[in-house]
Formats: sequence, C-alpha cells, structure tokens
Amino acid sequence: EPEVTQTPSHQVTQMGQEVILRCVPISNHLYFYWYRQILGQKVEFLVSFYNNEISEKSEIFDDQFSVERPDGSNFTLKIRSTKLEDSAMYFCASSRREAINEQFFGPGTRLTVL
Amino acid sequence: AQTVTQSQPEMSVQEAETVTLSCTYDTSENNYYLFWYKQPPSRQMILVIRQEAYKQQNATENRFSVNFQKAAKSFSLKISDSQLGDTAMYFCAFMRGTSGTYKYIFGTGTRLKVLA
Repeated sequence: EPEVTQTPSHQVTQMGQEVILRCVPISNHLYFYWYRQILGQKVEFLVSFYNNEISEKSEIFDDQFSVERPDGSNFTLKIRSTKLEDSAMYFCASSRREAINEQFFGPGTRLTVL
Repeated sequence: AQTVTQSQPEMSVQEAETVTLSCTYDTSENNYYLFWYKQPPSRQMILVIRQEAYKQQNATENRFSVNFQKAAKSFSLKISDSQLGDTAMYFCAFMRGTSGTYKYIFGTGTRLKVLA
C-alpha cells in the first residue's frame, strides 16, 4: 500500500540554524500539507500546497518557513533560522483530487532545537 | 472560526469492553467533514473513521462507529470490543467542505488506555 514517507525521522539542530524537512507524498496525490505538533499538544495546520503554490497558510507559518516541491516527488519544509519553540513533531500529509478531504499522513519528523 | 473540543483528556477501558470518546465542534458551515484520528506511541497519525455532514447515517468501520448529532454539533466515537492495540491518543478533527480550504482543525485529543 502506498504511503507518505518523511526524512529524517529525528533532526537535532542548534538555534539559528536552517533545517529542511523532507517528505515524499503518495505518487498520484496532488495536494500537500504540513502540520506541526508540539509535544503534548494538538496537531496544528501550517500550510497547504497545490499546483506549485501555497493554497493556504496559518499564522504560525511566518517568514521563517517556506515550502517547495523541488522535483516530481519531494515536498520540503524549510525553517530558515530555528527557534527553541520550533521544537515539535512535523507531519507531512497528502491527498488526491478525488478524495481531497482525506489526507494521508507521514510518520513525522521530530525536530529538536537546542 | 471553527473550533473542536475534546473534554476528556484521558480515559481507560477494560479489554473487550466498549468506550465512547466525546467531541463537540463549533461552525456556521453547513457542508463539512468530521474525522477521528488515532495516534499510537509511534506518533503516526492514522485515520480511524470519517463522516460527511450531509449524511444522516452514522459511519462505521468494524469495531469503530460514530454518533453524529448535527444539530448538537456532537461527534462521538464508540470503540466496541476494545483491544490492547487501541491504546493511543485519539484526535477529533473538522474540515470545511468549501472548495479551496482543506485543512484539518484538530481537538486537543483524548488519551485512551486499554487495560488487560
């Protein structure tokens, strides 16, 4: 069964460093998303992406964040200058046009900012 | 703005028993979707069940069923014949049905522990 994959599973970085979180959505999916979950809290929407542009973004998704689909398979989230409060689990999700309301989640990347 | 409320931070149930997790939401929309996601200790998000607001019939998926009360804006999850593998965090989620807006709004979750 096809699945969303994410790398790395755990990323440790120093405050102020740039990180890139990578996702490979399911191959026939056209809509892509990033969500964040701070430890012990709920999952929060960051951004949605379709047709090579951002469809919607939350207030969390400020200028420090960017997303890109650099090739036909990867979908990345970049945090330019990480802060301590960026420490969280980051989930990528994707959905297909025919069932756009059903998103498939990847296993997540745990980001730890020291 | 839409909100999702899960008022039970933690629950426990004996193996083979039935448990119901509560969820209420607030929206002025008429077209929307509701979901229950399971997050085991691995932290993977797994879709348990989905309900379209325009459908009056409650969704069921094997041992999982919902009680969808649209007028009361309530969407509870019933787990029958609970199994140890059901131990997880359960999140209720809302999605507007409006074209161009496909984000989940999650509740704060209910931690369910199934006891042997």
